[in-house]
Amino acid sequence: NAGVTQTPKFQVLKTGQSMTLQCAQDMNHNSMYWYRQDPGMGLRLIYYSASEGTTDKGEVPNGYNVSRLNKREFSLRLESAAPSQTSVYFCASSEIGNTEAFFGQGTRLTVV
Amino acid sequence: DQQVKQNSPSLSVQEGRISILNCDYTNSMFDYFLWYKKYPAEGPTFLISISSIKDKNEDGRFTVFLNKSAKHLSLHIVPSQPGDSAVYFCAASNRRSNTGKLIFGQGTTLQVKP
Repeated sequence: NAGVTQTPKFQVLKTGQSMTLQCAQDMNHNSMYWYRQDPGMGLRLIYYSASEGTTDKGEVPNGYNVSRLNKREFSLRLESAAPSQTSVYFCASSEIGNTEAFFGQGTRLTVV
Repeated sequence: DQQVKQNSPSLSVQEGRISILNCDYTNSMFDYFLWYKKYPAEGPTFLISISSIKDKNEDGRFTVFLNKSAKHLSLHIVPSQPGDSAVYFCAASNRRSNTGKLIFGQGTTLQVKP
């Protein structure tokens, strides 16, 4: 009964390093999302994939890229990490037309 | 420009009493509203939702009220329990866009005191 699984759970990067956050869901959902959570800001949408083969920018896409590898997997890449990208990142998935999204447990990223 | 706002960062109530969490939105295109609950070090979990064609939805101790003319919704928890202590996020969506995108408020930290 895994739901949405994110790896890693924690990561520390140096400024300028790159990394990929992985996300996989086993609920056969069509839509997947990446959000970031910052104090006082709530959750903000970075990128989303409404269905396999499509990706679109959300509210705060700058500095990120995504890949919808297949129906199950949606990865988020930081090409050159910056301290402003220190945050908690959440992956989520939902059925098309059903906006009740299911979230992973989060990845806490620190960029020093 | 914050389209969904939760103006109270925190709320403290006594066990057994009512908790009322508030949320305001600005975008008239939103037609579906949700509340999520989040414990520390966990992802948000869905709590309750309401469509814009309704003004009230109830699920056990949780009731969400929607006032479309005021662009305001509220979550009532009765009676409040210590296990309800968490961060509550209000979220809004335009279901007709068929993208499933959610716009979240900043969150309200609820503390229920025994």
